[in-house]
Amino acid sequence: EAQVTQNPRYLITVTGKKLTVTCSQNMNHEYMSWYRQDPGLGLRQIYYSMNVEVTDKGDVPEGYKVSRKEKRNFPLILESPSPNQTSLYFCASSLSSVNRHTEAFFGQGTRLTVV
Amino acid sequence: AQSVAQPEDQVNVAEGNPLTVKCTYSVSGNPYLFWYVQYPNRGLQFLLKYITGDNLVKGSYGFEAEFNKSQTSFHLKKPSALVSDSALYFCAVRASNTGKLIFGQGTTLQVKP
Repeated sequence: EAQVTQNPRYLITVTGKKLTVTCSQNMNHEYMSWYRQDPGLGLRQIYYSMNVEVTDKGDVPEGYKVSRKEKRNFPLILESPSPNQTSLYFCASSLSSVNRHTEAFFGQGTRLTVV
Repeated sequence: AQSVAQPEDQVNVAEGNPLTVKCTYSVSGNPYLFWYVQYPNRGLQFLLKYITGDNLVKGSYGFEAEFNKSQTSFHLKKPSALVSDSALYFCAVRASNTGKLIFGQGTTLQVKP
């Protein structure tokens, strides 16, 4: 089954404690991205990757890091989480940035709370 | 600037009535438009998309959307709403430069029995 898998689904952590949210897709997609969803703001892109070893900032990259060492995996790293990063996070993948007509597939989401 | 607007935070309809969820967009070049639905505690699910051609696009679960170039709109519609359609709906446009999806703020659809 074609899917994007995120882990964990729920996470409560303390300010400053490094964490990683994993994302994996099994569709051989080139383009992957991370979004955060906040009430009234829709989804905003944090980082994206057009292919292996190619990553770039989205609209709200501050406080986040990503890596793309393999095509299928695109982890989101919070080196020193702060309460304003409490949010619902989604990983998404699509065929490529060139094929703009293709839809994106989303993971189930990770609800992060930073206290 | 490229953007998407969903002017209604919430839409309430009675079961069996037609529904419309509004979306307007601003993008350079040809618009590639999408609708997604989010059920509670779930990820976003693709409903339908407009690429080119017929202005009326049909998608999953009986939903359709009407593309109007002159009004830069892409409204989501369904002839007869179901209670199970109650969810959060997002309109999105694919950016012409980076390929990212630009989302509206979302519209909560509430269908009452």
